[in-house]
Amino acid sequence: DIVMTQSPDSLAVSLGERATINCKSSQSVLYSSNNKNYLAWYQQKPGQPPKLLIYWASTRESGVPDRFSGSGSGTDFTLTISSLQAEDVAVYYCHQYYSTVLTFGGGTKVEIK
Amino acid sequence: EVQLVESGGGLVQPGGSLRLSCAASGFTFSSYWMHWVRQAPGKGLVWVSRINSDGSSTNYADSVKGRFTISRDNAESTLYLQMSSLRAEDTAVYYCARVSTSGWNPLGYWGQGTLVTVSS
Repeated sequence: DIVMTQSPDSLAVSLGERATINCKSSQSVLYSSNNKNYLAWYQQKPGQPPKLLIYWASTRESGVPDRFSGSGSGTDFTLTISSLQAEDVAVYYCHQYYSTVLTFGGGTKVEIK
Repeated sequence: EVQLVESGGGLVQPGGSLRLSCAASGFTFSSYWMHWVRQAPGKGLVWVSRINSDGSSTNYADSVKGRFTISRDNAESTLYLQMSSLRAEDTAVYYCARVSTSGWNPLGYWGQGTLVTVSS
């Protein structure tokens, strides 16, 4: 199975500052035939199901604010919140949908400093 | 509007069985792969199983293989997860999820989840 490793486990960022979350996969999730990275990011707030933010590593889901961005390719990926807002307090998960067995990262908790 | 509503959770003894259901509406259920994902209390997301659109192909996490069975009734727009030989470590909120668009895609729609507690 592809292991997804996120870092850090948690981070505290001041309002308006940048938050950066990293995700590393144990093998490449880049499919060579279409040059797409099968990597997504989710946001989960307490008591709610996860919400899809980013897919194909860098494509923002409809309705997601543009302060959220994804980057990376192959095995190394990053989710960036350019200017943290109070409503962004949540746990963020990376997720690979490349293989027949899907896997998630362990999650990164984002809080306000 | 896409809606996924899970049911069937509850308290079950170790070694017992339970069947979860996920009622889907707002889309053509038979066109989409469906998944189950679980989350133990205070823990992260763990993918459990997947079924293709006509039910002919399934995949499972190693932790549930041989104990859980995913199935679907396209006529009733319902997804199922039959769980047997349940263990304490199966305690979790179980979410059903649909891919965002048909094909090999991320999980774009999620239900609210149903809690399964395995305890004596």
